[in-house]
Amino acid sequence: EPEVTQTPSHQVTQMGQEVILRCVPISNHLYFYWYRQILGQKVEFLVSFYNNEISEKSEIFDDQFSVERPDGSNFTLKIRSTKLEDSAMYFCARQGENTGELFFGEGSRLTVL
Amino acid sequence: ILNVEQSPQSLHVQEGDSTNFTCSFPSSNFYALHWYRWETAKSPEALFVMTLNGDEKKKGRISATLNTKEGYSYLYIKGSQPEDSATYLCAVQSTGNKLVFGAGTILRVKS
Repeated sequence: EPEVTQTPSHQVTQMGQEVILRCVPISNHLYFYWYRQILGQKVEFLVSFYNNEISEKSEIFDDQFSVERPDGSNFTLKIRSTKLEDSAMYFCARQGENTGELFFGEGSRLTVL
Repeated sequence: ILNVEQSPQSLHVQEGDSTNFTCSFPSSNFYALHWYRWETAKSPEALFVMTLNGDEKKKGRISATLNTKEGYSYLYIKGSQPEDSATYLCAVQSTGNKLVFGAGTILRVKS
């Protein structure tokens, strides 16, 4: 099954700036996820998005974060005012329909200075 | 809070050696266990998804078992090859669809 495409691959930003990370599925799927890995830590769940609505979110996913699928294709994660601790690799993933496995994008590395 | 533990943290083996890793998790509210292989500069790639106690799955030289009653899963690699070098992630799904990941086991296979 095809994977998802993420852009940008790497973004460097100043603290307090807004960042938008994009995820483009190759085919039309309903269930998407954002995960992140801070360097040296575990991969952690941020949010799941089903049928154009948030279905579940973690404690990390506070008011600074938002997700949307503005055109029915691109799936975006927005961080309104970045903090140093937001520096991480952010992964978009879609769920396989048969087995439930996740198909990850190649990740967007965010560096907040 | 669901906590998934993996051991060992890292492993260095010689080409041809067989090896195994462990994933431990709380047995309550269990729904599924996932194993992923994560090569450097690539995205995590699913190996197995298991749901039933006693499940055994195999893909080539890699196999996995699941014990939901005692809360553990083993991943086995038979005859390790240099291309098996990667981080192996275990993740548990309980309520909802989110996965809770372990810290991973880093495998390095020397030729």
